[in-house]
Amino acid sequence: EPEVTQTPSHQVTQMGQEVILRCVPISNHLYFYWYRQILGQKVEFLVSFYNNEISEKSEIFDDQFSVERPDGSNFTLKIRSTKLEDSAMYFCASRTGGGTTGELFFGEGSRLTVL
Amino acid sequence: DQQVKQNSPSLSVQEGRISILNCDYTNSMFDYFLWYKKYPAEGPTFLISISSIKDKNEDGRFTVFLNKSAKHLSLHIVPSQPGDSAVYFCAARPTNTGNQFYFGTGTSLTVIP
Repeated sequence: EPEVTQTPSHQVTQMGQEVILRCVPISNHLYFYWYRQILGQKVEFLVSFYNNEISEKSEIFDDQFSVERPDGSNFTLKIRSTKLEDSAMYFCASRTGGGTTGELFFGEGSRLTVL
Repeated sequence: DQQVKQNSPSLSVQEGRISILNCDYTNSMFDYFLWYKKYPAEGPTFLISISSIKDKNEDGRFTVFLNKSAKHLSLHIVPSQPGDSAVYFCAARPTNTGNQFYFGTGTSLTVIP
């Protein structure tokens, strides 16, 4: 069964360092997303990406964050200068583009710990 | 602004009985609703969905009910099994106005053998 894969599964970094989280969405999907979940809190939307550009982003997704689809298969989230409050589980998700419905398929998540 | 609310953070049910998980939403533009199940240290997995043109959708042991006038949906699991123990998230999307899926805070279900 096709799945969304994410790397790394866990990354520990020092505050102020740059982090890149990688995702390989399901191959025929057209919409890509990043969500995050701070421990014990809700799953929060960060950004959606379609047709090689950001289609929606939340207030959380400020100038420290960027997304890229460099080669047609990977979808990356970059955090330029990490803060303590960026510690969270980051989930990549994708969905097909046809129609107005269609569920999100999530990866296993990348746990980011900022020290 | 919490547009999707799950007011019960936890629920315990005996094996074999019915589990009912509830979700309320505030945005009348939401027209597609989903339930996800999440185990610790894993990503959410899709369970079942319903569009606003229906009031019920069934898939095996899982049934989702939608009450649009009350802006309320619920997930029924019958019969509940120990393997159903997980956190359940309700999600909603305004399909005509955006791509974002809005998630609730989750309900932790424990099915007691």
